[in-house]
Amino acid sequence: AQSVTQLDSHVSVSEGTPVLLRCNYSSSYSPSLFWYVQHPNKGLQLLLKYTSAATLVKGINGFEAEFKKSETSFHLTKPSAHMSDAAEYFCVVSDLLRTGRRALTFGSGTRLQVQP
Amino acid sequence: EAGVTQFPSHSVIEKGQTVTLRCDPISGHDNLYWYRRVMGKEIKFLLHFVKESKQDESGMPNNRFLAERTGGTYSTLKVQPAELEDSGVYFCASSPGTDTDTQYFGPGTRLTVL
Repeated sequence: AQSVTQLDSHVSVSEGTPVLLRCNYSSSYSPSLFWYVQHPNKGLQLLLKYTSAATLVKGINGFEAEFKKSETSFHLTKPSAHMSDAAEYFCVVSDLLRTGRRALTFGSGTRLQVQP
Repeated sequence: EAGVTQFPSHSVIEKGQTVTLRCDPISGHDNLYWYRRVMGKEIKFLLHFVKESKQDESGMPNNRFLAERTGGTYSTLKVQPAELEDSGVYFCASSPGTDTDTQYFGPGTRLTVL
């Protein structure tokens, strides 16, 4: 069975400082991994996706994540936070079931606050 | 290209009433998924359509929930009768038939049962 643990429910940073949102996962197979972001009153937006190619994945808005199999981690980083980055971030693991469905397992979310 | 849309954005109903949520996937996407986030919990899978067929409804909580996707386009999720524990945010997602990996989500419907 797959699972996702987001180690921080809330993270607060100052504008212009680095962002680190932590995610650990467990999966029976080689999973696909995603980060989604949800801004207030908006849908879940795909930030980036890992599918066993390069271990360092670049996403939108300057975010990137590094897949570390030995640590079963997929932490999300950004060198310099912007006020518009304030949102809730979800780490997601995807496994392919025998039904052909991609089973998405979500982490509990990390709410990022950016202080001016 | 229009994204996944959901209607209504918010719904407040009394316990025992019926509510129908609608999802319009991205045009041409064969796969349509429903998820739910109950307050304070993780987002959980409810069911999966491939075109008009239910591929997997293992996440549906009970028989008060009925999902349909007539014609393989938009989908509805009906809750009848609604209970207090049904409150939460209901998300719809879709993905193309050729790549079921990446799912594109709608803004969600916030359901409050009083």
